[in-house]
Amino acid sequence: DGGITQSPKYLFRKEGQNVTLSCEQNLNHDAMYWYRQDPGQGLRLIYYSQIVNDFQKGDIAEGYSVSREKKESFPLTVTSAQKNPTAFYLCASSIFGGSLYNEQFFGPGTRLTVL
Amino acid sequence: SQQGEEDPQALSIQEGENATMNCSYKTSINNLQWYRQNSGRGLVHLILIRSNEREKHSGRLRVTLDTSKKSSSLLITASRAADTASYFCATDALHNNNDMRFGAGTRLTVKP
Repeated sequence: DGGITQSPKYLFRKEGQNVTLSCEQNLNHDAMYWYRQDPGQGLRLIYYSQIVNDFQKGDIAEGYSVSREKKESFPLTVTSAQKNPTAFYLCASSIFGGSLYNEQFFGPGTRLTVL
Repeated sequence: SQQGEEDPQALSIQEGENATMNCSYKTSINNLQWYRQNSGRGLVHLILIRSNEREKHSGRLRVTLDTSKKSSSLLITASRAADTASYFCATDALHNNNDMRFGAGTRLTVKP
């Protein structure tokens, strides 16, 4: 059963704490992405990775960090430097290799709330 | 900065009517895609149209692309209550098709 999973679905964090959101895919996709969505808003790109051990900053990378040690996994850490981290976080993946194939497949999202 | 901008921000129609949403973007693209999001869920891909295509159909969906005006439209015909969702357009960057940007979306409500 192929797909992309995110955990946990809901996450609560105290101010000043780092927290890591999990994203795993078994679609054999090369590229993976993290987006942030605020209420009533569109998606803003945080980071993306086209291949293992490589990633690029998106529009709002400050206060976030990522790693891509395995093809299947792209965890996102929300650090204490992120001033307003309460949001809905979406992970996505896509085949890398040409403009015909960049349909993105999304996980169900993680809702992060800072208390 | 976000590439695509959808219009209108919100749309409310009766079941059976057609719904049209528009998307404008700023720079040249390889592809434009439309996605759907039910409240509190991830996005689901609907349709992709390439920059050398002008129109594409998928079931009750019709997408047009006008690269000279840098705009696209999504038409949902014979709408159903289950079509109620937010719809987003996404565009890639000409230099990097994996660098995608999403608009703020159109919130469609279909009343039964």
